[in-house]
Amino acid sequence: GENVEQHPSTLSVQEGDSAVIKCTYSDSASNYFPWYKQELGKGPQLIIDIRSNVGEKKDQRIAVTLNKTAKHFSLHITETQPEDSAVYFCAAGEGYNFNKFYFGSGTKLNVKP
Amino acid sequence: GAVVSQHPSWVICKSGTSVKIECRSLDFQATTMFWYRQFPKQSLMLMATSNEGSKATYEQGVEKDKFLINHASLTLSTLTVTSAHPEDSSFYICSAREKTGSHLEEYFGPGTRLTVT
Repeated sequence: GENVEQHPSTLSVQEGDSAVIKCTYSDSASNYFPWYKQELGKGPQLIIDIRSNVGEKKDQRIAVTLNKTAKHFSLHITETQPEDSAVYFCAAGEGYNFNKFYFGSGTKLNVKP
Repeated sequence: GAVVSQHPSWVICKSGTSVKIECRSLDFQATTMFWYRQFPKQSLMLMATSNEGSKATYEQGVEKDKFLINHASLTLSTLTVTSAHPEDSSFYICSAREKTGSHLEEYFGPGTRLTVT
């Protein structure tokens, strides 16, 4: 089955700096890579996703890059703000059916004001 | 994006009793929903896949007789924790996938905090 590894487990940055979270996956059949933000006591919220037919996707301050050859993808947050503080999860799976998604272990991002 | 709701948001029950958690897709039909369990500071653990009109598919190690799943309509799936024990205390989250073009995007509910005393 798929194995998703996520690093770092914790990340502390100064407000305004950039944050990068990286994930690797093992199954070349995976073609869909979503990122979720989870605030304390709440369910995960889909913030951005990327499919295997593109290498980069951007939405305002958030971007995701995908390297299919190396089997890794990354979340980039620029101009971080205190409200970006949360736990971020990456996931990998097949985006065309209802097979399970495989989640990373999570990264706790702390943005210091 | 799609909206998924859960009820209740938190529940406290006594050991030995059963608790039902509801998961609803509010603005789309979900033939398939997913139930996850999350322990503090840990990732999401898939418990089962809930299929409308048929039996749920449970992940290895999840007791199907303890965690009863019913998906009676296209917008509602329920998880019943039977004969709950303190070790069942956890954060339970459901999700549903909405078709966007040719792809499926997964949206999560807000979660239910279960505490068994």
